[in-house]
Amino acid sequence: KAGVTQTPRYLIKTRGQQVTLSCSPISGHRSVSWYQQTPGQGLQFLFEYFSETQRNKGNFPGRFSGRQFSNSRSEMNVSTLELGDSALYLCASSLNTGEAFFGQGTRLTVV
Amino acid sequence: SQQGEEDPQALSIQEGENATMNCSYKTSINNLQWYRQNSGRGLVHLILIRSNEREKHSGRLRVTLDTSKKSSSLLITASRAADTASYFCAVNRDNYGQNFVFGPGTRLSVLP
Repeated sequence: KAGVTQTPRYLIKTRGQQVTLSCSPISGHRSVSWYQQTPGQGLQFLFEYFSETQRNKGNFPGRFSGRQFSNSRSEMNVSTLELGDSALYLCASSLNTGEAFFGQGTRLTVV
Repeated sequence: SQQGEEDPQALSIQEGENATMNCSYKTSINNLQWYRQNSGRGLVHLILIRSNEREKHSGRLRVTLDTSKKSSSLLITASRAADTASYFCAVNRDNYGQNFVFGPGTRLSVLP
């Protein structure tokens, strides 16, 4: 059974640009949640999608957005990138509220 | 502030010894999950324990949950160098969603 796949693995962007990250969940999983990990703030919850609807949202500015497609794949978008957005972005998939399995993450560097 | 707070922040032991990490949280929970992370890579799922459970085992791992004290512990027995990693507890408060609050993690070093 394939795990959670995140693409791309690494990304370098310039301040002011926007970026889209992709997450393919485990087959059959309907929940996809996103997290940001930085050395200073640790792991922080961004948002969760379930059956194409945002079910939970963390305390991030509106520059961070996401969506989920009918096949449960999810994308997150960050607009007007800032240096502080440099982080490891992780997505997790689960059936519903049980075990959540994480992908390898996308390492975003904003220069 | 983050709910999950691991203790200690760093732990160094010899191979073969046991390692115990603790996690405290502040509100009621649906479940609590423990993860391992190697050098900034993805999180590996270790164990899920639900609010109505007190103890779970998986191989060399033992997790306990005390909801009256709002705390959980992860015990790794007979540790190996490959167990060197950061360990996080993830508190899921929500009964209707997947919305983890993570602690800062415990950095475990197992020396050969």
